[in-house]
Amino acid sequence: AQKITQTQPGMFVQEKEAVTLDCTYDTSDPSYGLFWYKQPSSGEMIFLIYQGSYDQQNATEGRYSLNFQKARKSANLVISASQLGDSAMYFCAMRDAPNSGYSTLTFGKGTMLLVSP
Amino acid sequence: NAGVTQTPKFQVLKTGQSMTLQCAQDMNHNSMYWYRQDPGMGLRLIYYSASEGTTDKGEVPNGYNVSRLNKREFSLRLESAAPSQTSVYFCASSETTGKGQPQHFGDGTRLSIL
Repeated sequence: AQKITQTQPGMFVQEKEAVTLDCTYDTSDPSYGLFWYKQPSSGEMIFLIYQGSYDQQNATEGRYSLNFQKARKSANLVISASQLGDSAMYFCAMRDAPNSGYSTLTFGKGTMLLVSP
Repeated sequence: NAGVTQTPKFQVLKTGQSMTLQCAQDMNHNSMYWYRQDPGMGLRLIYYSASEGTTDKGEVPNGYNVSRLNKREFSLRLESAAPSQTSVYFCASSETTGKGQPQHFGDGTRLSIL
């Protein structure tokens, strides 16, 4: 089974609306971290937000929030008040250590978000 | 604010040629990583270095070698380039390999092998 699944290859949203990008994960490690990265057309990878598996509250960073549902193994990214500059590829990633070795970061295949005026 | 610097940004090679991709970070991070990104795929880990003096294989290490030259620098070498290694290569660093540590990425190297 894939460790990180992003089921939406592409999403469209109008400027100023909110959008949710889906991410589900699979791990046997009770301690793990979930990350979201943004990759604009220029190509760089930008870290957006982090959620730890033991965190009691959902993470928030400005217009970004993470809807973390541990029992469902989902960590959806919510972008409020979308802006044209939010158009990019978004990657969900998980850091775990199922074999009790060094933890490594595994990426999903990404969701392309297009924001229209 | 350099962060993670990768050189070169673009490179075209012929099959069988060798080259080294350079990466340097100025954040005093202990851990460094090399990934490749292919169309329609997320990033896949090639090699990583948890700390200075150590390197380990990731998901797709075949055809590559790495050197952790010092705490700042982590290079990736293709000894005999193959067309299947055409990809965008990203270097990243983090304070440690701890699960809560975000990785900070360079701008990538776009490598084409003919």
